[in-house]
Amino acid sequence: NAGVTQTPKFQVLKTGQSMTLQCAQDMNHEYMSWYRQDPGMGLRLIHYSVGAGITDQGEVPNGYNVSRSTTEDFPLRLLSAAPSQTSVYFCASSPAGANTGELFFGEGSRLTVL
Amino acid sequence: GESVGLHLPTLSVQEGDNSIINCAYSNSASDYFIWYKQESGKGPQFIIDIRSNMDKRQGQRVTVLLNKTVKHLSLQIAATQPGDSAVYFCAENQGAQKLVFGQGTRLTINP
Repeated sequence: NAGVTQTPKFQVLKTGQSMTLQCAQDMNHEYMSWYRQDPGMGLRLIHYSVGAGITDQGEVPNGYNVSRSTTEDFPLRLLSAAPSQTSVYFCASSPAGANTGELFFGEGSRLTVL
Repeated sequence: GESVGLHLPTLSVQEGDNSIINCAYSNSASDYFIWYKQESGKGPQFIIDIRSNMDKRQGQRVTVLLNKTVKHLSLQIAATQPGDSAVYFCAENQGAQKLVFGQGTRLTINP
C-alpha cells in the first residue's frame, strides 16, 4: 500500500504566488488533516476533515484553504504565499472511530517562500 | 497556547542503555496522550498511546508512564539501539484525531 502520498516533496515560491499541496491516501480513511512543522518545533494543526464534504480549522488556519471532495484526497491551498509560510507540511489520515490516536503521516512537503 | 511540552530538547545515551524521555502537560482535563517518533526527512510514526485511566502501558521495548498528579508522562526505551535515533514527540489527542504536539526531544545514540 502507498499509504499517504504528498506532492510535491519540495517547492520554492515567491511571495504572493499561489500553489496547492496535494495529499492522497489509499487506506479509505475518513479523517484527514494538514500540519505544519517549523524548525525545532512540534507539528501544528492547520485544517482537518472528518469526511468528504466536511472541513474545519485547526490551530493555525490563516492563509490556507482546504476542500474534501473525495475520501481519498485532501489538497491544501496557499492563495498568496508569505515568507511566514516557509515550513514543512505534513498530511495525515486515520480511520474514524479507531480506538487509538494513531495518525498515518505522509513524508512531508518542504516549502520555501522567498 | 501549548498544552504539552518536553523537558529536554536533546538526549544522548549509550547504545544498550535505557532512554527516558519526559513530557509535561498543563491541562488536568487532558485524558489521552500519544508518543510519536520522527526520523530525519520522514513523517512522524506512532509509537504508543496511553489514556488517563492508566498509569502505565508497555509495548515492544517501550513503556509509557503517566503521572496525573504532577501532569507528567515519560517514554522509556529499553536497550537503546542505533535505529532509535530520532526526534520523539509527545502529543495530546483532543478528539477527531486533532493532536497538539510538544516541541520534541532529539535522541542521539553513542556507540
